[in-house]
Amino acid sequence: EPEVTQTPSHQVTQMGQEVILRCVPISNHLYFYWYRQILGQKVEFLVSFYNNEISEKSEIFDDQFSVERPDGSNFTLKIRSTKLEDSAMYFCASLPTVSTDTQYFGPGTRLTVL
Amino acid sequence: AQTVTQSQPEMSVQEAETVTLSCTYDTSESNYYLFWYKQPPSRQMILVIRQEAYKQQNATENRFSVNFQKAAKSFSLKISDSQLGDTAMYFCAFRGQGAQKLVFGQGTRLTINP
Repeated sequence: EPEVTQTPSHQVTQMGQEVILRCVPISNHLYFYWYRQILGQKVEFLVSFYNNEISEKSEIFDDQFSVERPDGSNFTLKIRSTKLEDSAMYFCASLPTVSTDTQYFGPGTRLTVL
Repeated sequence: AQTVTQSQPEMSVQEAETVTLSCTYDTSESNYYLFWYKQPPSRQMILVIRQEAYKQQNATENRFSVNFQKAAKSFSLKISDSQLGDTAMYFCAFRGQGAQKLVFGQGTRLTINP
């Protein structure tokens, strides 16, 4: 069964550094999402992406964040200058079409900012 | 804005018992989708069961079933004959029409004891 994959599984970085989290959605899916989960808290929506554009973003998704789909398979989340509070689990999800209901999640990338 | 509330932070039952996890939500939309996701210690989010709001019949998936009360905006998950592998964090989630984001509840940590 096709799966959403994410790399790396764990990323450790210094405060102020840039990080890129990578996701490979399921190949025929059209809608892509990033969520994050700070340890012990609920999963929060960051951004949705369709047709090479951001379709919705949350208040969390400020100018430090960006997303792109550079090559038709990868879907990346970039954090330009990481802060301590960016430490969290980041989940990528994808959805086949707008008429389907279930988002499929990747295993997540644990980001630790020191 | 939609909100999802899970009022039970933690639950613990013995193996083979039945357990019910509660979820309430708030929305002004008439059609939407509701989900229960399971997040085991490995941390990948796995879909357990989903319900479309316009369907009156409660969804079931093997040992998992829901009690969907649209007027009360309640969506509880019942796990029958619980197994040790059911130990996980369970999130209730809401999604409106279209390719909209998932809104998650705070989660219920379920422990199945041998």
